Amino acid sequence: QQQVKQSPQSLIVQKGGISIINCAYENTAFDYFPWYQQFPGKGPALLIAIRPDVSEKKEGRFTISFNKSAKQFSLHIMDSQPGDSATYFCAASKLTGTASKLTFGTGTRLQVTL
Amino acid sequence: ETGVTQSPTHLIKTRGQQVTLRCSSQSGHNTVSWYQQALGQGPQFIFQYYREEENGRGNFPPRFSGLQFPNYSSELNVNALELDDSALYLCASSPDRSTDTQYFGPGTRLTVL
Repeated sequence: QQQVKQSPQSLIVQKGGISIINCAYENTAFDYFPWYQQFPGKGPALLIAIRPDVSEKKEGRFTISFNKSAKQFSLHIMDSQPGDSATYFCAASKLTGTASKLTFGTGTRLQVTL
Repeated sequence: ETGVTQSPTHLIKTRGQQVTLRCSSQSGHNTVSWYQQALGQGPQFIFQYYREEENGRGNFPPRFSGLQFPNYSSELNVNALELDDSALYLCASSPDRSTDTQYFGPGTRLTVL
């Protein structure tokens, strides 16, 4: 059962363009939505995260947009750079008081071309 | 501040063998989670340890087991290895079990032949 669906699988964006990755979740109990960036051979690195009480969060060139009613959230990378080429994972979790486990999407491989 | 470290980096085992992977949590973090990441997939939650006790488990069979030590470092043990166990095993640490934010190590690449 895939609780977090991510699209697209892969994305090619020109340098300076906007990269947009979308995720949809099923479990309305989720209350924390992070995005992770992973380079080949490395572990995922936390990029930015949001909670359902806000609709948007921006950190530098990275913005999360969150739509609670649609159960969707997206990552926007402004002014995309070749160094942003990586695999991006959305995730979701609910803090149960005993364990906070992350449920990940399947990933989006982003390539930023010159 | 030292980040999450894992050892070994790579490991090759044969089917039926047993393996132990190790993780040192980030300084000051008492909670460690383990994830399995198959090629081309997102990480899947295996289990979490908090102050040396198992604190939640994902949908993995009992042959996946773990330990956490008083210094909060952790081990993941897998018995009776199967070909499908080939994956990147990730350790993530958190300041506390009540904290959502998890910081990942570089992972151990396990290949089962």
